[in-house]
Amino acid sequence: GQNIDQPTEMTATEGAIVQINCTYQTSGFNGLFWYQQHAGEAPTFLSYNVLDGLEEKGRFSSFLSRSKGYSYLLLKELQMKDSASYLCAVRDESGANNLFFGTGTRLTVIP
Amino acid sequence: GAGVSQSPSNKVTEKGKDVELRCDPISGHTALYWYRQSLGQGLEFLIYFQGNSAPDKSGLPSDRFSAERTGGSVSTLTIQRTQQEDSAVYLCASNPPYPNTGELFFGEGSRLTVL
Repeated sequence: GQNIDQPTEMTATEGAIVQINCTYQTSGFNGLFWYQQHAGEAPTFLSYNVLDGLEEKGRFSSFLSRSKGYSYLLLKELQMKDSASYLCAVRDESGANNLFFGTGTRLTVIP
Repeated sequence: GAGVSQSPSNKVTEKGKDVELRCDPISGHTALYWYRQSLGQGLEFLIYFQGNSAPDKSGLPSDRFSAERTGGSVSTLTIQRTQQEDSAVYLCASNPPYPNTGELFFGEGSRLTVL
């Protein structure tokens, strides 16, 4: 089975840095994804990690440790528009490219 | 349009009625997925189509749920004899054969409310 855990809610201040953690226990692993979802909108792709280490993309970075079953999404220089849910998803090895999602972390950025 | 298109965006129905939800994926995308997102819950996988292969129906919660994909493009998710617990946002996603990063492109969803 697939088990993906992330905090339900987080609050951070505009301009600060926030780290959203994700741990996973899956029957197979072929990549980890982070998606952003604003309320009432479709999830949009943020990042993809398949090898250990840090992937940086502008204000957003994502880290993966396969041995620990752990990832985090780092958001720097927070802006009010970053208030959204952040979904961690793991792709299995079936070749179907199917993603198994966590429940998401609702981030609220306050002034 | 350039993105994944879903209809209707909102559907209110009475318990026991059948509903059909439609998804039009991005042109050229061979894979198509249906997910369900209930209030406060993560995305729950329902069904996956890849080209002409048999669909992966392992996520369908009951035999009241079915889906088809005609001509390798448009897909319809049908829920028969709807129940209140079926109330959720039904999201469709597609991805291209190349590059095969697994990134999914989501539609904005169909919000189903069963009274």
